[in-house]
Amino acid sequence: EVQLVESGGALVHPGGSLRLSCAASGFIFTKYWMSWVRQAPGKGLEWVANIKRDGSETQYVDSVKGRFTISRDNAKTSLYLQMNSLRVEDTAVYYCVRTAGIELPYEFDYWGQGTLVTV
Amino acid sequence: EIVMTQSPGTLSVSPGERATLSCRASQNIVNNLAWYQQKPGQAPRLLIYGASARATGIPARFSGSGSGTDFTLTISSLQSEDFAIYYCQQYSNWPTFGQGTKVEI
Repeated sequence: EVQLVESGGALVHPGGSLRLSCAASGFIFTKYWMSWVRQAPGKGLEWVANIKRDGSETQYVDSVKGRFTISRDNAKTSLYLQMNSLRVEDTAVYYCVRTAGIELPYEFDYWGQGTLVTV
Repeated sequence: EIVMTQSPGTLSVSPGERATLSCRASQNIVNNLAWYQQKPGQAPRLLIYGASARATGIPARFSGSGSGTDFTLTISSLQSEDFAIYYCQQYSNWPTFGQGTKVEI
């Protein structure tokens, strides 16, 4: 069974930093892109960042470029999101998401339960 | 950025009826489209990918169609557990989601 368990969400002041983690299990981690998708309270879904299977390629939504860094540790089957210079508009539930695709990221096929970040 | 527009914003349907949800892309995305279902307090769940392929474990009453810029999600006979918010998402370019369609009783 695919499991994605996020942690690290917290209340932080504007300008602060936070690191989210996601522990993955139940699938071969190195075979998948991984992504972070967020959802502000009462709002829709917004893709934040993704990372290729071997970590060689990363992509970000414009609003977080230069502030957020996605990374992964394939030995620990874990995904991370380092968030710096946080803004009020970054307040959201952050989902860790397994992403289909080999050379390119495709659909988001499994989602964690999310972790709340409040700025 | 590819903008995804869903309609209607809210769809009121009775159990057993058919529901048809629309999603339009601002440019050609071929068939690089997925649909997700989200219930209150839960994470989204993948329903459809490649515009028309059902994800693992998704009932046959859910079907997707379309290509290019216009797509449809059809729920053939609504069950009580289908009342939720549905999002379309393109992955032809940087991923973007539609604003969602709420399916209510």
